[in-house]
Amino acid sequence: QKEVEQDPGPLSVPEGAIVSLNCTYSNSAFQYFMWYRQYSRKGPELLMYTYSSGNKEDGRFTAQVDKSSKYISLFIRDSQPSDSATYLCAIEPSGGSNYKLTFGKGTLLTVNP
Amino acid sequence: ETGVTQSPTHLIKTRGQQVTLRCSSQSGHNTVSWYQQALGQGPQFIFQYYREEENGRGNFPPRFSGLQFPNYSSELNVNALELDDSALYLCASSFPPPTGSSYEQYFGPGTRLTVT
Repeated sequence: QKEVEQDPGPLSVPEGAIVSLNCTYSNSAFQYFMWYRQYSRKGPELLMYTYSSGNKEDGRFTAQVDKSSKYISLFIRDSQPSDSATYLCAIEPSGGSNYKLTFGKGTLLTVNP
Repeated sequence: ETGVTQSPTHLIKTRGQQVTLRCSSQSGHNTVSWYQQALGQGPQFIFQYYREEENGRGNFPPRFSGLQFPNYSSELNVNALELDDSALYLCASSFPPPTGSSYEQYFGPGTRLTVT
């Protein structure tokens, strides 16, 4: 079983739609959960990160973590064509001295005007 | 404040050759991580450098090696290139957080390596 599973899509929605992106993970030791956005031929850009279970909101973006289900989500409200990109979930173990990120495959999102 | 920069942008090499990729970390960051991103995949952790020492390594063979310099810039070296090494190589910089907090890693634009 892979450490992080993410549906690669592609996902296509009309402008203004609410988008839901999801990942599951297998290792309960993971404590920090990130979402990155990657435009074509660019490096990933950190959107949000959350610690442990709960919600975190930043403008049109909401990150949600359910540690009991090992399930993380990113919601995008009022989606815009500029949100078209690949969204990557990333997970970091707690403690230790090696803070490597484990990424999902990424979900390709297209928001149509 | 400048972001993470990488050079070169693109590179084409032949199987068996050696390559060196370079990264300048974001101002104030002393930790650099390298990732390999194959087409259609998420980035995979290669290794991390902190204060010029390797601070963890992923499942990559020894022909992947690195260096970090006193100014915290870094190099990734790959020897005996194979076709499967074709990928986007990403560098991310960060600053060690207080105990119990997360690193926030900031990525450069990447170097696209093609091995023929």
